[in-house]
Amino acid sequence: RKEVEQDPGPFNVPEGATVAFNCTYSNSASQSFFWYRQDCRKEPKLLMSVYSSGNEDGRFTAQLNRASQYISLLIRDSKLSDSATYLCVVTPHTGGFKTIFGAGTRLFVKA
Amino acid sequence: EADIYQTPRYLVIGTGKKITLECSQTMGHDKMYWYQQDPGMELHLIHYSYGVNSTEKGDLSSESTVSRIRTEHFPLTLESARPSHTSQYLCASSERGDAKNIQYFGAGTRLSVL
Repeated sequence: RKEVEQDPGPFNVPEGATVAFNCTYSNSASQSFFWYRQDCRKEPKLLMSVYSSGNEDGRFTAQLNRASQYISLLIRDSKLSDSATYLCVVTPHTGGFKTIFGAGTRLFVKA
Repeated sequence: EADIYQTPRYLVIGTGKKITLECSQTMGHDKMYWYQQDPGMELHLIHYSYGVNSTEKGDLSSESTVSRIRTEHFPLTLESARPSHTSQYLCASSERGDAKNIQYFGAGTRLSVL
């Protein structure tokens, strides 16, 4: 079983739609959680951190459920420019080097 | 924007050649990483470093080697390139004191070995 698992998609949604991704992690001692965005043939870039209390940045909302060991990302009012692969990222230990990247969920937003 | 740079961006080379992929960062980060990523696939950690003179192998076995003589520089070398080395190589760095270990990536080197 992979340490971080995501539905690979693709998710094909129309502009303006709301879409949600989930990610599960296996290490209950995991400390830090993030969503990264990776455009086609580009490098991953930090989208947002994820907290148990929830984290909202404009149209994006991230949530952590420690009891169930899953992380979610909600995108409201999808734009064409949101088309990308979204990587779920987990750091198992505080200050540790080993950051685990999920394989990513592909999103295509269509006009 | 992250200040981490990789050169070359694209490299096409013949089998058996020695190559070095360059990675430099100006953020003063102690931790640096090399990842390998095939198109549409996940990132695989191949090397990392905690600081100067520290290098370790990552989760994915790689025939490449790395060095860390200066904090800002973390080059990756392939002594004899083969077609199986064709991939994208991404360099990243993070701050030692950052408990979250947020990593910042360079734009990558896309390597094709003929």
